[in-house]
Amino acid sequence: GAVVSQHPSWVICKSGTSVKIECRSLDFQATTMFWYRQFPKQSLMLMATSNEGSKATYEQGVEKDKFLINHASLTLSTLTVTSAHPEDSSFYICSARGNSGPSYEQYFGPGTRLTVT
Amino acid sequence: QQPVQSPQAVILREGEDAVINCSSSKALYSVHWYRQKHGEAPVFLMILLKGGEQKGHEKISASFNEKKQQSSLYLTASQLSYSGTYFCGTPPVGFGNEKLTFGTGTRLTIIP
Repeated sequence: GAVVSQHPSWVICKSGTSVKIECRSLDFQATTMFWYRQFPKQSLMLMATSNEGSKATYEQGVEKDKFLINHASLTLSTLTVTSAHPEDSSFYICSARGNSGPSYEQYFGPGTRLTVT
Repeated sequence: QQPVQSPQAVILREGEDAVINCSSSKALYSVHWYRQKHGEAPVFLMILLKGGEQKGHEKISASFNEKKQQSSLYLTASQLSYSGTYFCGTPPVGFGNEKLTFGTGTRLTIIP
């Protein structure tokens, strides 16, 4: 099956610094990737849709200048949390869907736990 | 708006059956079901693409009632490995390969 990886698995950073999270599709090309945020015991909330070669589409209420998304290739999307604050601490998960065939499934990465101190 | 799932949480003994419901205030074009274990990413279970569709794999099955704007997930003779939080996901328009809005979640705990 399709595999999506994320790096790092977890990160602890100081308030005010920036953190970059990578999402890679390992065995398929993904024209579209999605970034979610999940707080403890809550559902996944879609933050943005990342499209290869174009600007990301952000959901209402998500600050695009704070959460920078770059989808530079068909296998890599990055999320950079700029000037992180403790309230940004969360579990960030990416997902990807293929760009061919009848598959409608989204393949999720293992997630990145961000802790801002 | 986020689909509402019921129940919010349920505890079952191994071997018992469970039903998880997903209801939307908006029209549903397709429904995805995922299971997430603590600290892990969601794992795909199945997609229902058409109203009236029913689908199953081993002891997990699902139905999709387009008119009622709801879907149900059925777990038969539950196993310990079924424990986790179940989410339904629905796309805003079109087919099931668009971005998903996830439901409120149902935490299922299976005890021996």
